[in-house]
Amino acid sequence: GQNIDQPTEMTATEGAIVQINCTYQTSGFNGLFWYQQHAGEAPTFLSYNVLDGLEEKGRFSSFLSRSKGYSYLLLKELQMKDSASYLCAVPDSNYQLIWGAGTKLIIKP
Amino acid sequence: IAGITQAPTSQILAAGRRMTLRCTQDMRHNAMYWYRQDLGLGLRLIHYSNTAGTTGKGEVPDGYSVSRANTDDFPLTLASAVPSQTSVYFCASSDRGVPGELFFGEGSRLTVL
Repeated sequence: GQNIDQPTEMTATEGAIVQINCTYQTSGFNGLFWYQQHAGEAPTFLSYNVLDGLEEKGRFSSFLSRSKGYSYLLLKELQMKDSASYLCAVPDSNYQLIWGAGTKLIIKP
Repeated sequence: IAGITQAPTSQILAAGRRMTLRCTQDMRHNAMYWYRQDLGLGLRLIHYSNTAGTTGKGEVPDGYSVSRANTDDFPLTLASAVPSQTSVYFCASSDRGVPGELFFGEGSRLTVL
């Protein structure tokens, strides 16, 4: 079956760097997604990794290791507006997304 | 503004009642999805449609039905609501299915008493 694990909650300081980890188990692999969801709002797309390595997009970067079933989202120069839940998701064998429960990131001044 | 519109935003419903959550998109996306989101759980797929005229069952389809008569609309119906269907429901669309970026509606908060 498929399984995705993320930490439930993390706390970081404004201006700092935080790494949010995601481990997954899938029968096949068709990429890994990260989404951001502010409280009371809809999820919005952040990144998609299908090859190993780091992909940088402004203050946010996403890393993938297919051999380890592992990904992380790296947020730099944290701002208060980065307080949100970060969702990791992978497609199943029917190409439908299986979602982790999300990591709630709390930013403190 | 292009995007996905869900209605109602919030609803309180008596158990046993029938309820339809509406979802309309104006991006001409082929694929549409209905998810429910519950505290401590990830988004769970209820039903999906890869193109107009077709639908498929997701992870938690029981108690729900959908239709896809045209590209833009994808309503979700609860035939006889039960308290366990209390949740936040998100409709989403994608121009080419998965893998592909999903665009979400703002959600419908449903409480079944």
